[in-house]
Amino acid sequence: SQKIEQNSEALNIQEGKTATLTCNYTNYSPAYLQWYRQDPGRGPVFLLLIRENEKEKRKERLKVTFDTTLKQSLFHITASQPADSATYLCALADDKIIFGKGTRLHILP
Amino acid sequence: EPEVTQTPSHQVTQMGQEVILRCVPISNHLYFYWYRQILGQKVEFLVSFYNNEISEKSEIFDDQFSVERPDGSNFTLKIRSTKLEDSAMYFCASSWAQSSGNTIYFGEGSWLTVV
Repeated sequence: SQKIEQNSEALNIQEGKTATLTCNYTNYSPAYLQWYRQDPGRGPVFLLLIRENEKEKRKERLKVTFDTTLKQSLFHITASQPADSATYLCALADDKIIFGKGTRLHILP
Repeated sequence: EPEVTQTPSHQVTQMGQEVILRCVPISNHLYFYWYRQILGQKVEFLVSFYNNEISEKSEIFDDQFSVERPDGSNFTLKIRSTKLEDSAMYFCASSWAQSSGNTIYFGEGSWLTVV
């Protein structure tokens, strides 16, 4: 079955720097890959979606890449702010969505 | 912005009791989902629902669970004979089209504690 690994349970980044989160998967490449933000005790919030034939997608300070050869997606937040502190979930999407465990990101002021 | 609403936000129930979790998806959405998240673990897919029937379900979604859309607005998850391990946050979600290539909107969750 498909396994999703997200790098390190927690990541500390200095405010203003770029945060880079990694998502690796093990089996087939999904048609779509999605990234979500989840705050403690709240539901996941959809951020970005990238298709298997797309290399990169941007939205404001967010950038996602999708490398089907490496079976990896990278999620970047540029000019990071303390308000970006949250857990970020990678999700593989075909007929259903399978989530990774997430990476807790702390932006240090 | 339209949102998915869930009730109750928190429910405590005795082991063996039945629980119904309620959701009001976004009004023009056609696909509905239930996910759960055990404390400290990942968000897990339970079931998807389209055109008044289950379109996909996971291994977790066994005979103990059922879903229903009793009217035009509500979408419910029933858990029969609850067990301690059913304690989790249950998220309802909805989307306009199939979730994989489209934005899926999650509710704020119903926290279920089985004692």
